[in-house]
Amino acid sequence: EPEVTQTPSHQVTQMGQEVILRCVPISNHLYFYWYRQILGQKVEFLVSFYNNEISEKSEIFDDQFSVERPDGSNFTLKIRSTKLEDSAMYFCAGASLGGTDTQYFGPGTRLTVL
Amino acid sequence: SQQGEEDPQALSIQEGENATMNCSYKTSINNLQWYRQNSGRGLVHLILIRSNEREKHSGRLRVTLDTSKKSSSLLITASRAADTASYFCATVGTNAGKSTFGDGTTLTVKP
Repeated sequence: EPEVTQTPSHQVTQMGQEVILRCVPISNHLYFYWYRQILGQKVEFLVSFYNNEISEKSEIFDDQFSVERPDGSNFTLKIRSTKLEDSAMYFCAGASLGGTDTQYFGPGTRLTVL
Repeated sequence: SQQGEEDPQALSIQEGENATMNCSYKTSINNLQWYRQNSGRGLVHLILIRSNEREKHSGRLRVTLDTSKKSSSLLITASRAADTASYFCATVGTNAGKSTFGDGTTLTVKP
């Protein structure tokens, strides 16, 4: 069964550094999402992406964040200048039919900002 | 209360017993999904129920949806120790498909 993959599984970075989190969604998916989960808290929506543009974004997704689908397969989340409070598990998800369809999540990238 | 609130927050049962978790939400939805998360791991999709459906089954899982009460329940029958995990409901209200997660229920199944 196809799966969403994410790399790296764990990223440690210094405050102020840029990080890029990578995701390879399932090939027939058209809608893509990033979520994050701070340790011990609920999963929070960051951004949705469809047809090569952002469909919706949350208040968390400020100017420090950006998303890209550079080559039709990878889906990336970039944090330009990381802060301590960006430490969280970041999940990529995809769906084939948007709001009416199952969202399949990747295993996550644990980001630790020191 | 926030969109997608589960109760109870924690549930501890013996193997073989049934576990019921509830989820309430505030705004209208397209569908509602239940996920399982083992500690520190990813989210595993369990079941999706659409707003025009009232009940769905998948193996030992039974999900109900009451849109008039804006609530859903997840029943796991004949629980096993391997069912120990956190369970989250997530509502999808828009065509773009943003999911809004609840706080989750932590289920412990004792062997």
